Amino acid sequence: QKEVEQNSGPLSVPEGAIASLNCTYSDRGSQSFFWYRQYSGKSPELIMFIYSNGDKEDGRFTAQPNKASQYVSLLIRDSQPSDSATYLCAVRDNYGQNFVFGPGTRLSVLP
Amino acid sequence: IAGITQAPTSQILAAGRRMTLRCTQDMRHNAMYWYRQDLGLGLRLIHYSNTAGTTGKGEVPDGYSVSRANTDDFPLTLASAVPSQTSVYFCASSDRTGGADTQYFGPGTRLTVL
Repeated sequence: QKEVEQNSGPLSVPEGAIASLNCTYSDRGSQSFFWYRQYSGKSPELIMFIYSNGDKEDGRFTAQPNKASQYVSLLIRDSQPSDSATYLCAVRDNYGQNFVFGPGTRLSVLP
Repeated sequence: IAGITQAPTSQILAAGRRMTLRCTQDMRHNAMYWYRQDLGLGLRLIHYSNTAGTTGKGEVPDGYSVSRANTDDFPLTLASAVPSQTSVYFCASSDRTGGADTQYFGPGTRLTVL
């Protein structure tokens, strides 16, 4: 059974700080990773996807995969109260049919 | 463009009753998925369909069935609901013809089985 683990949090950071979220995965064959943001009572929305071969930056968000250690990080720079949400990590390997989601990390950005 | 719609938004159901959750997408995505989301357990895949006419079982398929008669619709049926099926259900779709195969989610259906 492929597994994806995340610290459930809550992770609390002050406004303007960098929030760092981690996701570890068990399947070494995993090739692509997805970060979703989910506000309370809403559906997940994609923040970014990344392949295992390098970092990716999109605005205030940076995703950093570490294939050797089997984790992927999401950094949120200049955190805003509107970033307060649960962040879901999803992993898909090169051979699998579907995604495996982690349980999510709840982030709280304090004004 | 609506994206993905789900119906109903919420439902309270007596145990033993049959229930169909509806999902429709207008993005012409070939793949569709049903997940349930429970506190502390994240999203778990129930069933999926890679293309119209085919379906497959996910991580937690027992007690659920699906059909995929066309590209746009992917209904999920609970033949005889039980309280453990109380959850929030999300339908998703993705384009598997290339690229990252990103999934897009519907607004969800909150189901309570009493």
